[in-house]
Amino acid sequence: GENVEQHPSTLSVQEGDSAVIKCTYSDSASNYFPWYKQELGKRPQLIIDIRSNVGEKKDQRIAVTLNKTAKHFSLHITETQPEDSAVYFCAALNTGFQKLVFGTGTRLLVSP
Amino acid sequence: NAGVMQNPRHLVRRRGQEARLRCSPMKGHSHVYWYRQLPEEGLKFMVYLQKENIIDESGMPKERFSAEFPKEGPSILRIQQVVRGDSAAYFCASSPRQAPEGTQYFGPGTRLLVL
Repeated sequence: GENVEQHPSTLSVQEGDSAVIKCTYSDSASNYFPWYKQELGKRPQLIIDIRSNVGEKKDQRIAVTLNKTAKHFSLHITETQPEDSAVYFCAALNTGFQKLVFGTGTRLLVSP
Repeated sequence: NAGVMQNPRHLVRRRGQEARLRCSPMKGHSHVYWYRQLPEEGLKFMVYLQKENIIDESGMPKERFSAEFPKEGPSILRIQQVVRGDSAAYFCASSPRQAPEGTQYFGPGTRLLVL
């Protein structure tokens, strides 16, 4: 089955810096890759997603890149703000199975 | 449009009791997924249901756990004879159709504590 690895487990940056979180997946049949942000005690919130027919997608300060050959995808947050502090999860899905397989999460701390 | 609703938000049970968790999907969504999140860990898939059908229960323990999504009413995740290891946050997600076109949106979760 699918296995998703996520790095780093914690990331501390200064306000205004960029943050990059990386994930790798094992199943070449996976074709949908969402990213979720989870604040303490709250629900996971979808912040951006990418499908396998696209290499990059951007939404304001957030971008995601996908390298299907290497089975890597990454989340890039520019001009970070303290309210970006949260745990971020990557996930992969094979549309033949409809279940999201999550990474272990990255705790992002943005210091003012 | 109300989001995915879950109740109760917090549930305390003693070992051996039953836990019943409810999930109402977003309006117009007919696909429901349950995930479990242990403290400081990621979410793990449990089961995928459509109305009156279990599509994939490969992530659900074979004993004590069951799920349903009846024609009318919310989806229910039922845990019988709970043990301390069942303590976790249980999240429900829904989508209007299968992914990738149907993005999964999560509810606020039910935090189960087994004493």
